[in-house]
Formats: sequence, C-alpha cells, structure tokens
Amino acid sequence: NAGVTQTPKFQVLKTGQSMTLQCAQDMNHNSMYWYRQDPGMGLRLIYYSASEGTTDKGEVPNGYNVSRLNKREFSLRLESAAPSQTSVYFCASSEEAGGQPQHFGDGTRLSIL
Amino acid sequence: GENVEQHPSTLSVQEGDSAVIKCTYSDSASNYFPWYKQELGKGPQLIIDIRSNVGEKKDQRIAVTLNKTAKHFSLHITETQPEDSAVYFCAASIGMDMRFGAGTRLTVKP
Repeated sequence: NAGVTQTPKFQVLKTGQSMTLQCAQDMNHNSMYWYRQDPGMGLRLIYYSASEGTTDKGEVPNGYNVSRLNKREFSLRLESAAPSQTSVYFCASSEEAGGQPQHFGDGTRLSIL
Repeated sequence: GENVEQHPSTLSVQEGDSAVIKCTYSDSASNYFPWYKQELGKGPQLIIDIRSNVGEKKDQRIAVTLNKTAKHFSLHITETQPEDSAVYFCAASIGMDMRFGAGTRLTVKP
C-alpha cells in the first residue's frame, strides 16, 4: 500500500521553464491537495480538489495550475518557473472534503535557478 | 484568513521528560485541529487530531488540549524518547482551508 506517491522527488529548472509535478493516491480518497513548504513558514495550501472534477484556489495559487485527472491523480503545473517558486512541494489526500486527516506524500524538492 | 502561531520554534528536552508545544489560531470558525510529525526528508504524518466539540484527547504518550474560548491548543508528549525527535506542526482548518503553524523542532537528548 503506497499511500500518496509524488514524482519526481527532485528537480532543477531554469527560470522560465515549465514543469508538471505528479501525484497519485491509492486510498480511494475523494479530496486532494497541493502544498508548498518553505523554511520557517510551515505548509501553505496552493490548490485543492474537493472531489473528482472540481478544483479551487488555496492560500498561494499565483503562478500555478492544477488538473484533477481522475480520482487517483492530481497534478500541479508551473507554466513559467520563477526563483520564488523554489520550495518543497507536498501532495496530500483525505477521505472526504474538509475537517479530515490528510495523508501526505514525501514531497518534490524543486530548485529554480 | 486564518492565522496560526506556534511556539516554541525549537525545544530540547532530556529523554523521559515531557514536551509541550502551543498554538493559537485567529478564526473562531476553525473546527478541526490536527498535529503532524515530520521527519527529515519525509512528508508530515498525522499523530493526533481534535475537533472543536472536544476539549482533550489522548493516545498513549500523546495528548492534545483545546481551549476554544482562548483560541489555543497544545500538544503534550510524555516520557519522551529519542525517536520523538522531529519537527511538529499544528494546524487549524475551516472546511478545505487548512493553515499550518511554522513548526517546532523537538530534540530529545538521550
């Protein structure tokens, strides 16, 4: 039982390049989330998907887009990467929307030069 | 939006001692308060959570207390062990919007 799987684990980009971060969960959860983690700031919600077919902005959505491909998969896209987007990105899922324990992947460490 | 503050940022205790981490939140509508443990190179892992209709919850050596009036909640770890060393995050949520504290790095010295 893998839980939440994120790919890739590490990536280095140049400013202006685009990239898609992949996330898949095998727990049959309805809701999925993308967070970024910066030193000293905890985790901040970028986008979430309450259920298949829906997506909504979180606290820090600028510069990102998401796609809920199906119930299992939720991807995060950087269209034109900026150094300020250097961070560790975490995907999470929960059984239902809101007020539920979230299960996290092990993150994608992204550096933008 | 919701704002969560967490203290202390670092905490060092001797093995066997207790550790307490405190968080405050700003929005009285928050109704779900989880605590996560994050080890180096890993994602956060839920260790305990509490809902707004409960004042205290225990799970073996870990307990969480919630004071809705004062808008603060705390994590208590008793009989600490070296494997408790990690970064701990509190969070408060309203619906899908979960806001995290900045984290506490706990070190348990053998």
